[in-house]
Amino acid sequence: GQQVMQIPQYQHVQEGEDFTTYCNSSTTLSNIQWYKQRPGGHPVFLIQLVKSGEVKKQKRLTFQFGEAKKNSSLHITATQTTDVGTYFCAAISNDYKLSFGAGTTVTVRA
Amino acid sequence: EAGVAQSPRYKIIEKRQSVAFWCNPISGHATLYWYQQILGQGPKLLIQFQNNGVVDDSQLPKDRFSAERLKGVDSTLKIQPAKLEDSAVYLCASSSLGSVAFFGQGTRLTVV
Repeated sequence: GQQVMQIPQYQHVQEGEDFTTYCNSSTTLSNIQWYKQRPGGHPVFLIQLVKSGEVKKQKRLTFQFGEAKKNSSLHITATQTTDVGTYFCAAISNDYKLSFGAGTTVTVRA
Repeated sequence: EAGVAQSPRYKIIEKRQSVAFWCNPISGHATLYWYQQILGQGPKLLIQFQNNGVVDDSQLPKDRFSAERLKGVDSTLKIQPAKLEDSAVYLCASSSLGSVAFFGQGTRLTVV
């Protein structure tokens, strides 16, 4: 199946600062999804990217799909304590197999 | 719309015992996934169903794990016998043909 690698594994951010987390694949992805998992919770869908070079925004979150469809990024501006959690990217294969990366765990210093 | 229901929420068993988890997906969702999430790691796909057929079970330890989805709706995941390394959260998710996956609250299994 398709495998995705995420970096960094941990991100410690000062409240109000920006940060970016990255998702990389060795193979071309048909599309990619991003999920957020709060501590003690379950993954919750954030966004799906399908087109090469696609950029989507959700308030302070900006998602990007690379031109070669082998990488994706999530950029958060003006980090807030509500952004705490683990962010996963997930690749979908043609038979709808959903494979998750290891995630980036975000902590915020107030 | 009701979400994905899982039970039990928590389970503690001794090694070599058996355990079963139940999942009721969102109505109409043809795809059902079972994931194992060990603390600090991403969800690992154990098995994927499309209606009542298995699409992928390549990472399911078939010597001890089994899963079924009779009638293409509810699903059960069984472990027999359990090992210490099976301690994890077992997540069930459902989707409608590759769209958004909705997850249940998960079952936290502790094997002692």
